[in-house]
Amino acid sequence: QSALTQPASVSGSPGQSITISCTGTSSDVGSYNLVSWYQQHPGKAPKLMIYEVSKRPSGVSNRFSGSKSGNTASLTISGLQAEDEADYYCCSYAGSSTHVVFGGGTKLTVL
Amino acid sequence: QLQLQESGPGLVKPSETLSLTCTVSGGSISSSSYYWGWIRQPPGKGLEWIGSMYYSGSTYYNPSLKSRVTITVDTSKNQFSLKLSSVTAADTAVYYCARHIFRGGGWNWFDPWGQGTLVTVSS
Repeated sequence: QSALTQPASVSGSPGQSITISCTGTSSDVGSYNLVSWYQQHPGKAPKLMIYEVSKRPSGVSNRFSGSKSGNTASLTISGLQAEDEADYYCCSYAGSSTHVVFGGGTKLTVL
Repeated sequence: QLQLQESGPGLVKPSETLSLTCTVSGGSISSSSYYWGWIRQPPGKGLEWIGSMYYSGSTYYNPSLKSRVTITVDTSKNQFSLKLSSVTAADTAVYYCARHIFRGGGWNWFDPWGQGTLVTVSS
């Protein structure tokens, strides 16, 4: 069982927006603005999409955005495209003992 | 452009030690700004952080794996390595290495990642 809870799957049609939630606790997501999001296509390595809750690395489309409220972080993808179909994982700092926790992953299907 | 590449045996027997190496190219593993980490992903499952290290030798491990994990560095070869002892079938996974950023008072993001290597634990 993963430390951070994500929905197993979400879906949307091309052009629509979807949001993936990542629920933790006051010991991880709720205490630190150190949440990152990764996109993983089948058979490929994860790719950084968002860091520090809402910052986008150079080269990542501005259709991807991140936010946080309390113990829940969210990844929003606007203007869905077929290439966005992938698994998405959240990750958070969890303090000096546990260090790092991941979510269980969410499979995004573009209908 | 920084690149990471995992290498090591793809098959390990139960109770033995899994050993992998990550070779860093396009940058120095001795950079004062970065840490280096290992993450694994069992087939069809999610990501699990194994541990991270600094080039000076400081290490940080997932508490659930700490008793079996050792991460070391060879700065002369620009490599860092993972050893996982007493493996079982539950350790079968794709193992990734990645640069790990420590910023803002805590562990931050992983980027870039190696392509990953599948290690199967089986007799």
